[in-house]
Amino acid sequence: KNEVEQSPQNLTAQEGEFITINCSYSVGISALHWLQQHPGGGIVSLFMLSSGKKKHGRLIATINIQEKHSSLHITASHPRDSAVYICAVRFRGNNFGNEKLTFGTGTRLTIIP
Amino acid sequence: NAGVTQTPKFQVLKTGQSMTLQCAQDMNHNSMYWYRQDPGMGLRLIYYSASEGTTDKGEVPNGYNVSRLNKREFSLRLESAAPSQTSVYFCASSAMRGTEAFFGQGTRLTVV
Repeated sequence: KNEVEQSPQNLTAQEGEFITINCSYSVGISALHWLQQHPGGGIVSLFMLSSGKKKHGRLIATINIQEKHSSLHITASHPRDSAVYICAVRFRGNNFGNEKLTFGTGTRLTIIP
Repeated sequence: NAGVTQTPKFQVLKTGQSMTLQCAQDMNHNSMYWYRQDPGMGLRLIYYSASEGTTDKGEVPNGYNVSRLNKREFSLRLESAAPSQTSVYFCASSAMRGTEAFFGQGTRLTVV
C-alpha cells in the first residue's frame, strides 16, 4: 500500500529555534512535494524535489531516496512560520495515470514569540 | 496574480440539495484537480483533468461529477448532497503531470 507518514503531528517551538519536520514513504516515488497550509486554509507549494536538497530563504528540503525519507527544515523560526506543513508524494507507477499525489496528514507547527 | 480561484469560500447545504463549486486558473495549466480534506486525513483526490476535454475519477469520486468547461475552468458538482460530503474542498492545477501544483483557497462545505 502506498503510504506517507509525517512526524511529528504537532510541534511547538520558541522563536529562533531550528525546526525539522519529517516525511517517510513506503515505496519508490517520482517526486515529493512540501506544502504549507496557513490558518486561513490556503495551501501553498513550498518545494518539489526528486533528489538532493533545495533551499528557499530560511526553508530547506532534503530527500534521501534510498531511505525513502524527506525532511523540511526551518532556520531561525518566526511566529509567521506557524502553519500546517504537508508532505505529498507521487508514487511511481501508481493509478490515475501518474496524476495522483498521496498526502500525509500534516504537521501543525506553532512558533511562540 | 490570481493563480487558482475557487468560489464560494463557504457554503451550507441541506441534505439532498445540489451545488457546483467553481474553479478557474489563469496560468494556462493543462492539469486540474479536485481534492477534499477531512480531519485527520490527508487530502484525497476526487477527480482530475489531465487536459481540456478529459476528466477521470480519482480516489473518492462517488457522489460527485465534474466538468472541464475549457482550459481555465474545472467545476465540481454535488447532485444530491449528503452529510458525508461535509469537508473542505481544494482545487489545484499544474502545468502538466508531475510538475508543481498550485492550490486554490479552499471551499468549506457543510451539509446538514
